[in-house]
Amino acid sequence: AQSVTQPDIHITVSEGASLELRCNYSYGATPYLFWYVQSPGQGLQLLQKYFSGDTLVQGIKGFEAEFKRSQSSFNLRKPSVHWSDAAEYFCAVAPPDFGNEKLTFGTGTRLTIIP
Amino acid sequence: DTEVTQTPKHLVMGMTNKKSLKCEQHMGHRAMYWYKQKAKKPPELMFVYSYEKLSINESVPSRFSPECPNSSLLNLHLHALQPEDSALYLCASSQRDRGQETQYFGPGTRLLVL
Repeated sequence: AQSVTQPDIHITVSEGASLELRCNYSYGATPYLFWYVQSPGQGLQLLQKYFSGDTLVQGIKGFEAEFKRSQSSFNLRKPSVHWSDAAEYFCAVAPPDFGNEKLTFGTGTRLTIIP
Repeated sequence: DTEVTQTPKHLVMGMTNKKSLKCEQHMGHRAMYWYKQKAKKPPELMFVYSYEKLSINESVPSRFSPECPNSSLLNLHLHALQPEDSALYLCASSQRDRGQETQYFGPGTRLLVL
């Protein structure tokens, strides 16, 4: 069965500092990979997706994510965080089977920004 | 445009009430989803509709009844809920991109069962 691990439950970063959120997956083949962000009381917004190709993908809001097959990882990065980036971040995977709609979510990483 | 709308934003209901949650998308997406999310947890899949037909039911109790009247609209009918059903209910829709579905979420309905 596929699984997703986000090792960091909570991260605190100073505004303007760099950020890396970790995501590791376990699956027989390379799954499809996603990052979603959720502000308090809100829905999930898609930040990143990776299906194949370039291992460094640019997303919205200045985020990028790097896929590393050897480490089964899909880490999210941002060079300089803003106070508005404070939110919950979920990594998710889907099997690389045509038409498979099931997403498996990690447990999330809560990001706090300090001035 | 990847907007999914949900109404109402907030809902308070008693255990004997019947209420419905509504979700709409006008992006021509083929699949629509209901998720339940408890505080500080990831979303849990409840139902998937594909081309207006129920394709996945994750063993959800019958007090939750989904309905897909057309390709743009998804409802979740609620009856005889329990306090533990209080949660954020998220709707999503998806389009196929290079053979894989990408899900887009609505803002959610915050449900409180008294």
